[in-house]
Amino acid sequence: SQKIEQNSEALNIQEGKTATLTCNYTNYSPAYLQWYRQDPGRGPVFLLLIRENEKEKRKERLKVTFDTTLKQSLFHITASQPADSATYLCAPPVSSNTGKLIFGQGTTLQVKP
Amino acid sequence: DAGVIQSPRHEVTEMGQEVTLRCKPISGHNSLFWYRQTMMRGLELLIYFNNNVPIDDSGMPEDRFSAKMPNASFSTLKIQPSEPRDSAVYFCASSSQGGGNEQFFGPGTRLTVL
Repeated sequence: SQKIEQNSEALNIQEGKTATLTCNYTNYSPAYLQWYRQDPGRGPVFLLLIRENEKEKRKERLKVTFDTTLKQSLFHITASQPADSATYLCAPPVSSNTGKLIFGQGTTLQVKP
Repeated sequence: DAGVIQSPRHEVTEMGQEVTLRCKPISGHNSLFWYRQTMMRGLELLIYFNNNVPIDDSGMPEDRFSAKMPNASFSTLKIQPSEPRDSAVYFCASSSQGGGNEQFFGPGTRLTVL
């Protein structure tokens, strides 16, 4: 069955450093993958979508890569700030013709000042 | 736009009682999703609708759960009878198309079943 894996351990980094979060998927090849941010007590908020024919996508300090050979997406936050502290979820679709997403467990990022 | 609206924000009930959660999607969005989030299982899709029609309810845990979407601006998720293991945060999300587009989540309903 389709499986999404994100680092379950929290990632603690110093302000100003680059945070790198990993999302691995197995048993299928999604046509795209979305990344969301979730703050405590709130619903997830969409950040970026990357398609299988895009190697990299950027939005301000965010960068996402999509390696279909490794079956992995990396999510980078450069020049991290304490306000970036949150849980980040990756979410590929179940199949290309549906809006149904499979959400990873999420990785919690803590940026220390 | 007010975003996705959910009510109530918090619900505490006793085992065996009926619980109804409500959702108003963003105007113009034609897909609506109900999710459940727990520490153990993460964010799970329960059911989703396209143009008010249920497309996939394979995530609905059992017959105690039911969902309706009588029109484009309103959906309900009902649990009857509720059980303590139903305690979770329930999110509603909407999007403008069935595939590929971002989902907009509501603030969630925190359900506690005693």
